[in-house]
Amino acid sequence: ETGVTQTPRHLVMGMTNKKSLKCEQHLGHNAMYWYKQSAKKPLELMFVYNFKEQTENNSVPSRFSPECPNSSHLFLHLHTLQPEDSALYLCASSRRLERRVEQFFGPGTRLTVL
Amino acid sequence: DQQVKQNSPSLSVQEGRISILNCDYTNSMFDYFLWYKKYPAEGPTFLISISSIKDKNEDGRFTVFLNKSAKHLSLHIVPSQPGDSAVYFCAATRTQGGSEKLVFGKGTKLTVNP
Repeated sequence: ETGVTQTPRHLVMGMTNKKSLKCEQHLGHNAMYWYKQSAKKPLELMFVYNFKEQTENNSVPSRFSPECPNSSHLFLHLHTLQPEDSALYLCASSRRLERRVEQFFGPGTRLTVL
Repeated sequence: DQQVKQNSPSLSVQEGRISILNCDYTNSMFDYFLWYKKYPAEGPTFLISISSIKDKNEDGRFTVFLNKSAKHLSLHIVPSQPGDSAVYFCAATRTQGGSEKLVFGKGTKLTVNP
């Protein structure tokens, strides 16, 4: 248990659906991250938030829309996804936005797009 | 093009012996390296890190070695235990300039046999 929770743990959706992934951290951290892990590929950073402000968008398609209402919660809104978007989506947080600082990961949401 | 490479997808070791996991990187701007460990159905957890000003960092049974000239790092686990069976990810970053990215390798699945 890392103090970072993600819901749902599994999600199956059609290409026309709209769904949201939720991440919550109970660690008092100020930075939060979304990562994507596709089969046989490295973990890829998608978005970074620092004190609720987005500081990085790693060229992510607009069908992925992040939202960070406060430092404890992070959402990833999904709309008109493609089958190749099927992957494990991991949320992480860190005490501050500094690259040496350890990131704490949630268990991930396994997403399947039909 | 992958900047962090873990060329061995899997490694099998006998309990009590040494496990050596390897990682190569191509970006000479990277100056901080981390190892994360991931059990099934859980997010990655931080294990150990090393700064480029060092060539070795030790924490209990875990030691990371860095060879900057070869752009190579390795994680040694001695003695290996069955509970060490997991996927190990190498990650790298630059602490100054650039984006807030951790660049991950694809991971090596370690199996420690009793």
